[in-house]
Amino acid sequence: GQQLNQSPQSMFIQEGEDVSMNCTSSSIFNTWLWYKQDPGEGPVLLIALYKAGELTSNGRLTAQFGITRKDSFLNISASIPSDVGIYFCAGRSYGGSQGNLIFGKGTKLSVKP
Amino acid sequence: EAGVAQSPRYKIIEKRQSVAFWCNPISGHATLYWYQQILGQGPKLLIQFQNNGVVDDSQLPKDRFSAERLKGVDSTLKIQPAKLEDSAVYLCASGGTSSWAYEQYFGPGTRLTVT
Repeated sequence: GQQLNQSPQSMFIQEGEDVSMNCTSSSIFNTWLWYKQDPGEGPVLLIALYKAGELTSNGRLTAQFGITRKDSFLNISASIPSDVGIYFCAGRSYGGSQGNLIFGKGTKLSVKP
Repeated sequence: EAGVAQSPRYKIIEKRQSVAFWCNPISGHATLYWYQQILGQGPKLLIQFQNNGVVDDSQLPKDRFSAERLKGVDSTLKIQPAKLEDSAVYLCASGGTSSWAYEQYFGPGTRLTVT
């Protein structure tokens, strides 16, 4: 079946640092979504991307839909403690059931000790 | 605008018992999804409804899982009988119906522990 490879699996951040994470798929996607999940809560939608090459920002977050349609990137600028959590990418491939999303395994952001 | 509501938030049962989860989607959202999220993994789709009809239930273990969405609004997901491997968070999500509305909005989830 289709798989999404999300990296890194985990990373430590220091307040003020920029953070980057990415997602790659084995097939072409027509939609990429980025979610953040806090402990004990459901995922919260951060950014939605619908066109190859699209670059979209939401505050300090910026995400891009890769030109190859097989990848997406999420950047967080000037990180703050509340950015801690698990970030998931999700994609929908051509020909998939309407709205049928495949999720990556997540990137866990933690604060540097 | 109220978000997706789910209940209960937590449930502990013994294996072979049955359990049911309830979801109320965002008002006006025609599409409703149930996901299973195992610890350390991303959500995995179990079933998708469009109004009160099933669009995709290919990953629903139908020998023990069932779901319904009567009247096209609220939905219930049932497990009978439960197995140890069903321990997970069960997430409900809803979405709109326009051709570009692939965004899905999640509820807080129900954490199920099977002992």
